[in-house]
Amino acid sequence: DADVTQTPRNRITKTGKRIMLECSQTKGHDRMYWYRQDPGLGLQLIYYSFDVKDINKGEISDGYSVSRQAQAKFSLSLESAIPNQTALYFCATVSPTGELFFGEGSRLTVL
Amino acid sequence: GENVEQHPSTLSVQEGDSAVIKCTYSDSASNYFPWYKQELGKRPQLIIDIRSNVGEKKDQRIAVTLNKTAKHFSLHITETQPEDSAVYFCAASKGSSASKIIFGSGTRLSIRP
Repeated sequence: DADVTQTPRNRITKTGKRIMLECSQTKGHDRMYWYRQDPGLGLQLIYYSFDVKDINKGEISDGYSVSRQAQAKFSLSLESAIPNQTALYFCATVSPTGELFFGEGSRLTVL
Repeated sequence: GENVEQHPSTLSVQEGDSAVIKCTYSDSASNYFPWYKQELGKRPQLIIDIRSNVGEKKDQRIAVTLNKTAKHFSLHITETQPEDSAVYFCAASKGSSASKIIFGSGTRLSIRP
């Protein structure tokens, strides 16, 4: 069954550490997104990619970077994690009709 | 850029009653408006969407209305059931390819038995 897979699902780290969240998909979609979810703030767009060579900043890109290694892989990095980056992170693909297909989420805690 | 505001943030209704969630958007060029449902501990999933060439769309107990002039759209759930309890997000984007999808802040809907 075609899906969007995120690793790790849960991660606890310390301030200043580098963290990478990985996302892979088998849906064959070109577009991939990273969102951050905080209680009461909805889903905020961090970065989005139309294809391997086209990456764009979203609403809250400061402190984050991304890498689109292949059509099926889109990774999110926190170069030096800080406590206010504690959140639930979702990767998603976008179908040709515009529907978002989300992964199961990666819960990150920065101490 | 696009800004989407969603109200209310929490909503509690009696089972069987109707629920309405409202959203406004800022970019008049936006033309695609999806609604996502996120059950507790799960990923968001699309439940209904509407494009700017129509004013209303229905799918069984759920419907969405769009007023382009006022730049607002609403989700209507009739005959609410316990399984409707979830967080609902509205969103807006431009272009048929939905290049950048911006979400509202979410509404936590609770259905009272």
